[in-house]
Amino acid sequence: DAGVIQSPRHEVTEMGQEVTLRCKPISGHNSLFWYRQTMMRGLELLIYFNNNVPIDDSGMPEDRFSAKMPNASFSTLKIQPSEPRDSAVYFCASSFTGDTEAFFGQGTRLTVV
Amino acid sequence: EDQVTQSPEALRLQEGESSSLNCSYTVSGLRGLFWYRQDPGKGPEFLFTLYSAGEEKEKERLKATLTKKESFLHITAPKPEDSATYLCAVQTGNQFYFGTGTSLTVIP
Repeated sequence: DAGVIQSPRHEVTEMGQEVTLRCKPISGHNSLFWYRQTMMRGLELLIYFNNNVPIDDSGMPEDRFSAKMPNASFSTLKIQPSEPRDSAVYFCASSFTGDTEAFFGQGTRLTVV
Repeated sequence: EDQVTQSPEALRLQEGESSSLNCSYTVSGLRGLFWYRQDPGKGPEFLFTLYSAGEEKEKERLKATLTKKESFLHITAPKPEDSATYLCAVQTGNQFYFGTGTSLTVIP
């Protein structure tokens, strides 16, 4: 398996624009996670899906952020409108179940100018 | 309040000089504690999962232990390729809390 695949690897956008990050989890994994990593706050869990259903989205910072998982092999994280403070590395991770180890993608480095 | 604290923030070791990294936590209802390694520009890579106090896991030069309040990652005779940031995470309910990591540098 190729592991968790994220795209794009890098994204530079202007403030106010919509940004969509994409993730393909490992085949057979039932849980998917979106994380954000910054120097100041480290890794923060944004949202957790189990069997394509959002289980916990308490980490989503505000209504500008939304995530979907239309099927078991694809998820998106959307920011609309984007702001400079959204600049961070966004990671997608998947696991066989919610209690087992998660495998992370390479991340998307987002810069909002 | 659920919290995970890692220490030290940074650690420099000579090759072969053994040491330990600490992860202390205060959470209600620990479901699991995870150790990850992160190299620059990459996603975290899974190392170990510990579920109950007294549990130990080993892999090559690394050994992870767990008590009711903290976990240790022991590194025996480290090599330069062990240089990375080591992250611990705890699961409580549906939440995962990561520490800010220990940046380890092993000098040849």
